[in-house]
Amino acid sequence: DVKVTQSSRYLVKRTGEKVFLECVQDMDHENMFWYRQDPGLGLRLIYFSYDVKMKEKGDIPEGYSVSREKKERFSLILESASTNQTSMYLCASKGGRVTDTQYFGPGTRLTVL
Amino acid sequence: AQSVTQLGSHVSVSEGALVLLRCNYSSSVPPYLFWYVQYPNQGLQLLLKYTSAATLVKGINGFEAEFKKSETSFHLTKPSAHMSDAAEYFCAVSGTYGNKLVFGAGTILRVKS
Repeated sequence: DVKVTQSSRYLVKRTGEKVFLECVQDMDHENMFWYRQDPGLGLRLIYFSYDVKMKEKGDIPEGYSVSREKKERFSLILESASTNQTSMYLCASKGGRVTDTQYFGPGTRLTVL
Repeated sequence: AQSVTQLGSHVSVSEGALVLLRCNYSSSVPPYLFWYVQYPNQGLQLLLKYTSAATLVKGINGFEAEFKKSETSFHLTKPSAHMSDAAEYFCAVSGTYGNKLVFGAGTILRVKS
């Protein structure tokens, strides 16, 4: 079974702090994704990576950056957290074929005070 | 460009009744279509996917969906609702040349006893 793990289920940070969200997958997938989930808006893509050190902006990259130094790990960074970044963050990974399934982690609920 | 519209942010059915969750898509390229389910405090789990083979797709937990190109629809159905089906359901589309998914806003299914 594919396993996608996220470093924290719940996180509380203060405005202005630098925040790291970590995601690890164990299936040697080429593609990894970070989404933000808000009620009534579904999932919105922040960034994705199709290979080590490669990244592309999604639909809402502002205020976020990412890092992929190893194939199995994809990090989301909030350089200076703001209250409007309070949300559920979901990581996913996917193999190289277009028809492959995206597998999701359990999510990190981030609250910025 | 691709988009997904899920009609009805909340759907309520009685236990044993038919479940119908509606999804319409827009895509400039032949689409691949997905239904995911999210139980409370969990990540997303794939229910089923359409990848241009059979237009009637069967998934897990008794769910199925039919791809109708003429109606640009991919509605999710289950003949008889069970209490355990209460969750949020997301429809998503990807193009045949890309790895990214575009999600609908989600439909919360409530099952009444």
